[in-house]
Amino acid sequence: NAGVTQTPKFQVLKTGQSMTLQCAQDMNHEYMSWYRQDPGMGLRLIHYSVGAGITDQGEVPNGYNVSRSTTEDFPLRLLSAAPSQTSVYFCATRYSGTGGGGYTFGSGTRLTVV
Amino acid sequence: AQTVTQSQPEMSVQEAETVTLSCTYDTSESDYYLFWYKQPPSRQMILVIRQEAYKQQNATENRFSVNFQKAAKSFSLKISDSQLGDAAMYFCAYEKGLQGAQKLVFGQGTRLTINP
Repeated sequence: NAGVTQTPKFQVLKTGQSMTLQCAQDMNHEYMSWYRQDPGMGLRLIHYSVGAGITDQGEVPNGYNVSRSTTEDFPLRLLSAAPSQTSVYFCATRYSGTGGGGYTFGSGTRLTVV
Repeated sequence: AQTVTQSQPEMSVQEAETVTLSCTYDTSESDYYLFWYKQPPSRQMILVIRQEAYKQQNATENRFSVNFQKAAKSFSLKISDSQLGDAAMYFCAYEKGLQGAQKLVFGQGTRLTINP
């Protein structure tokens, strides 16, 4: 049982390049989300999905695209990377329903844009 | 919009002593949850403790306990008998209790150092 798997763990991009951060889960969680972590700012929600085919924006969505074609996968796309997107990215999943936690986090992807 | 504030960027404590990390939040909701997460150097996010807003009793988990003051919108974490393994970044987080809410709002984090 792998839980939430994020790939890659580290990545260096040049400004203007594109890439996809992968998030896969095997817990049949309906809810999946992406956060970015920056020093002094905690974790901020980028995009989230409450099920296959359904996505919505979080607090800081600009510069990122997402789609959810399966329950298991929720990739995060950077179409034209900028230095401001240098950050650590976390995927988090949980069951759907009322609040109360139950989140499972991936181990993060450290992205540097030069 | 809900906000969470951690006013202590860094804290340090002697091993075996007690330390308290502060957190305040702002919300107009009556049904919500509060959490403390630990992030060691491995980057993994580990849930330390959880508090339901409708419960007056403060949550405890072994050496970890909270002081939940709903009227003051304060949610501090007390770590007793600090151990070297407690050294980490600690994040306070908030989540609405409603169906479909499912968004964690995090504070800025407090880096805790344990001095041997």
